[in-house]
Amino acid sequence: ETGVTQTPRHLVMGMTNKKSLKCEQHLGHNAMYWYKQSAKKPLELMFVYSLEERVENNSVPSRFSPECPNSSHLFLHLHTLQPEDSALYLCASSQVSGGYNEQFFGPGTRLTVL
Amino acid sequence: QKEVEQNSGPLSVPEGAIASLNCTYSDRGSQSFFWYRQYSGKSPELIMFIYSNGDKEDGRFTAQLNKASQYVSLLIRDSQPSDSATYLCAVIWISNFGNEKLTFGTGTRLTIIP
Repeated sequence: ETGVTQTPRHLVMGMTNKKSLKCEQHLGHNAMYWYKQSAKKPLELMFVYSLEERVENNSVPSRFSPECPNSSHLFLHLHTLQPEDSALYLCASSQVSGGYNEQFFGPGTRLTVL
Repeated sequence: QKEVEQNSGPLSVPEGAIASLNCTYSDRGSQSFFWYRQYSGKSPELIMFIYSNGDKEDGRFTAQLNKASQYVSLLIRDSQPSDSATYLCAVIWISNFGNEKLTFGTGTRLTIIP
């Protein structure tokens, strides 16, 4: 596997379900990100992990819970979601260094909440 | 909240013509500027970055930055149908906590007409 991978690629869940999204980066980067992409809205940054420490969460609802066990893996745990949470969830990684921050994106998980 | 503004389009350009995409940003202290391309159903991929005022050329792509006017643009020469995609402008700025933050615009949908 190369680059940034995400599983699953598609997920349909009910509002009472609990599920997790997984992201893995094979680039040796020191930062990982979760973004939400909804139709006609900018990419919304949800969480940032730098050197495995969460440095930003942008007031995301508590029904989204991130986990970063090491520099290569990132999870997004989902529980009691709402239909408006349906979106494309993108994971990205980067090597942060002095203002240059090229983010490499995974293919995304298309989430539908019924 | 730092903002990045783009015309959502759609922008239609004849094949072989120059496509011009514009982006303005609100934070005068922004340091680095990126253009990502996102094909329908795919994740964003970086195509250009620019730090300094002026023009930066890479093949058919030219990024232009004017920090005084707070805008950055992307020119695509000799447009090809394969250039049809959504182009996302992204800007790095430093938060009050000293963290680098990457903020995306909503994207401009470009269609190249054969």
